[in-house]
Amino acid sequence: DSGVTQTPKHLITATGQRVTLRCSPRSGDLSVYWYQQSLDQGLQFLIQYYNGEERAKGNILERFSAQQFPDLHSELNLSSLELGDSALYFCASSLKWGGSSYNEQFFGPGTRLTVL
Amino acid sequence: AQTVTQSQPEMSVQEAETVTLSCTYDTSENNYYLFWYKQPPSRQMILVIRQEAYKQQNATENRFSVNFQKAAKSFSLKISDSQLGDTAMYFCASRRTGKLIFGQGTTLQVKP
Repeated sequence: DSGVTQTPKHLITATGQRVTLRCSPRSGDLSVYWYQQSLDQGLQFLIQYYNGEERAKGNILERFSAQQFPDLHSELNLSSLELGDSALYFCASSLKWGGSSYNEQFFGPGTRLTVL
Repeated sequence: AQTVTQSQPEMSVQEAETVTLSCTYDTSENNYYLFWYKQPPSRQMILVIRQEAYKQQNATENRFSVNFQKAAKSFSLKISDSQLGDTAMYFCASRRTGKLIFGQGTTLQVKP
């Protein structure tokens, strides 16, 4: 158990819908990262937040957005869903925002999103 | 931009044998970090081993070790005394600042 929790574990929805994925980082970790794992794209970095502020952005679609709240949990919002958005979405957390080798990222169990 | 390449989509090894997974990367940075992650059928991402680019000594964690060739931009993972529980997908990753850049993954099957 990494200490990172993600809810829900599974999500099945229809095209055009909107969903919210939730992540609670390990106690004490200030950084949260979101990654997408799909058959087509592999494992891709989406976005990073540090202590409530956006720190880095990857190939995140405009239909996707995220935020980190004062209690440090994070939510990833996916809207106007398409079939191709079906994937495993991981949240990871780390103590710092980047750089140090001791800034290990701990991954949550992921949320499996299926868009029908 | 950083890229990571794993050229072996699938590999297999007999239990108790040794196997090496290959990884090459491309970066213009001098200071960066390299990782191997394991993803078993449960889909959990588990850190196996890490290497700081400024350290010449190869990292070792029990049965897992790396061969880090900085000039060649190569970072291979050696698993000794393979066990059935090592069956998983293995991802090589690099990081300079915060985000991890992953390779395509290598599926390793350990056969009894």
